Amino acid sequence: DAKTTQPNSMESNEEEPVHLPCNHSTISGTDYIHWYRQLPSQGPEYVIHGLTSNVNNRMASLAIAEDRKSSTLILHRATLRDAAVYYCILSTNNNDMRFGAGTRLTVKP
Amino acid sequence: DTGVSQNPRHKITKRGQNVTFRCDPISEHNRLYWYRQTLGQGPEFLTYFQNEAQLEKSRLLSDRFSAERPKGSFSTLEIQRTEQGDSAMYLCASSSPRGLGANVLTFGAGSRLTVL
Repeated sequence: DAKTTQPNSMESNEEEPVHLPCNHSTISGTDYIHWYRQLPSQGPEYVIHGLTSNVNNRMASLAIAEDRKSSTLILHRATLRDAAVYYCILSTNNNDMRFGAGTRLTVKP
Repeated sequence: DTGVSQNPRHKITKRGQNVTFRCDPISEHNRLYWYRQTLGQGPEFLTYFQNEAQLEKSRLLSDRFSAERPKGSFSTLEIQRTEQGDSAMYLCASSSPRGLGANVLTFGAGSRLTVL
């Protein structure tokens, strides 16, 4: 199975940008990169996904390395409400949505 | 649309009892997933359905676990002869893939099981 590696935890200051890294060195050509986040006491929620090109939406930006072996989720201005566990997932053929341990983001005021 | 609904939200049971959780997905979603999450861990995949067909089951899904989606709408997850190790949050998600890679999951709030 394709796997991802993320740091266990990261800290950020409020209103500063946050770059959350994810390594996926065994990614295959058809794997999409998905990011979800889980706020305390809630189910995970979708953040963003992409294949090769960088992607932007209202929540975040996704920067994908040219060799696709790594990606970075960018929160442009962290708020206290962004404190959550962020999961990077490879989606194989739209079927395999398996989560790792994720990165716990702490946002300091 | 009220999103993905899971019931009950909390269940406390004694070891050896059977429990059943229900998930009502978003109405137009044809895929439904079950995950289990323990404290400090990410969600672990258990199984998923496309319409009423159960297409994949994790090895985590022992013989005591069974999931159904009889008419391709709501789903149930039953755990027989519960053990203390079954204590966890059981999460349901649904999706309706539109194009390759666009399998965006919408999760429910989960059903928390405590086995005494």
